[in-house]
Amino acid sequence: NAGVTQTPKFRILKIGQSMTLQCTQDMNHNYMYWYRQDPGMGLKLIYYSVGAGITDKGEVPNGYNVSRSTTEDFPLRLELAAPSQTSVYFCASSFSGGADEQFFGPGTRLTVL
Amino acid sequence: GQSLEQPSEVTAVEGAIVQINCTYQTSGFYGLSWYQQHDGGAPTFLSYNGLDGLEETGRFSSFLSRSDSYGYLLLQELQMKDSASYFCAVIFSNTGKLIFGQGTTLQVKP
Repeated sequence: NAGVTQTPKFRILKIGQSMTLQCTQDMNHNYMYWYRQDPGMGLKLIYYSVGAGITDKGEVPNGYNVSRSTTEDFPLRLELAAPSQTSVYFCASSFSGGADEQFFGPGTRLTVL
Repeated sequence: GQSLEQPSEVTAVEGAIVQINCTYQTSGFYGLSWYQQHDGGAPTFLSYNGLDGLEETGRFSSFLSRSDSYGYLLLQELQMKDSASYFCAVIFSNTGKLIFGQGTTLQVKP
């Protein structure tokens, strides 16, 4: 199993551009999550999904959108990128939510200039 | 609101024992997890406490007191590879939504 994979690894965007961060898991997990981590800080939940077709907001959803059309994929869309969105983005998944261990992808390092 | 407090840095020597504390204020508390993150890497799961008491996994143990809104991670027989950031995270619903603390950077010295 590849686990949780994310693409791209690095990206530089100009202010106002849009992009999609890809996340795929091959563990048949129902729950998937998007976090951002600013330097020296903890992770903050952006959006999460409890299954295909179901998504909900986390702590910091503004400026982002998600979709979950399949169990495997959970893309994160940035519209009108702003410098405040410069961060490392991690995707994670777990089998049944709750206390279940979350498995994290390697992250996408995004810079908005 | 939700908040977690942990020390920003801890230093210890190889072979020693270190305790990283975490206090929290949240509503709808479900459990407390700990994650390790090496520099530039992804977080990895260490432990979970849903009930009061101690959970042991090899050299690592984690403790929770719900009445005190307090937990800690105990690392024994420290090794150089334990140098990393450690995050406590409150789970506050059955969806697995996590609120992370700001992390404790552990430096293990020879």
